[in-house]
Amino acid sequence: SAVISQKPSRDICQRGTSLTIQCQVDSQVTMMFWYRQQPGQSLTLIATANQGSEATYESGFVIDKFPISRPNLTFSTLTVSNMSPEDSSIYLCSVITGAGTEAFFGQGTRLTVV
Amino acid sequence: SQELEQSPQSLIVQEGKNLTINCTSSKTLYGLYWYKQKYGEGLIFLMMLQKGGEEKSHEKITAKLDEKKQQSSLHITASQPSHAGIYLCGADMYDMRFGAGTRLTVKP
Repeated sequence: SAVISQKPSRDICQRGTSLTIQCQVDSQVTMMFWYRQQPGQSLTLIATANQGSEATYESGFVIDKFPISRPNLTFSTLTVSNMSPEDSSIYLCSVITGAGTEAFFGQGTRLTVV
Repeated sequence: SQELEQSPQSLIVQEGKNLTINCTSSKTLYGLYWYKQKYGEGLIFLMMLQKGGEEKSHEKITAKLDEKKQQSSLHITASQPSHAGIYLCGADMYDMRFGAGTRLTVKP
């Protein structure tokens, strides 16, 4: 199993500022993902965080807006840059264990941009 | 567009009734996950299916993956108010994809 610590759990931010979300896993995992869940919508994959290389972004998401770091196999950050109210959402990190048998999620970061 | 079609979007049942939630993909699923999200809480992993025809049960919840590995169903027997929440299917399609979720309400 994997235990994920995601911080912060919630934040209220001013538009135009940036917020960095951290995701710490208690074991080494190969696959780590960042998701967004906007109000009333399903989870949407933002990007796959790759250790030692640039993240792989999904259509509609760009590195300038959501820079991601993955310095090692247990840690990743997602930054939401130059925020606007449309960025208000729950952001989730997720990992799949090496065996690929289970997926685990952080508790989420509830972001409100005012 | 959703790569995983989940139905129904919402479900209201009387306590004690059985119910089924479906998750369908046009592609072969190499790992199908079912999650539950209680309102205001994080996602809880329920079970994971990998093999065609596989069936798993946890308490009163049973999940099946069809032989073609393109459709899964989640069945709850004798539903209780504690079963209420949003049920989400997710699939390993190189990276994780999710259905739109099914909001379940159980009336006492």
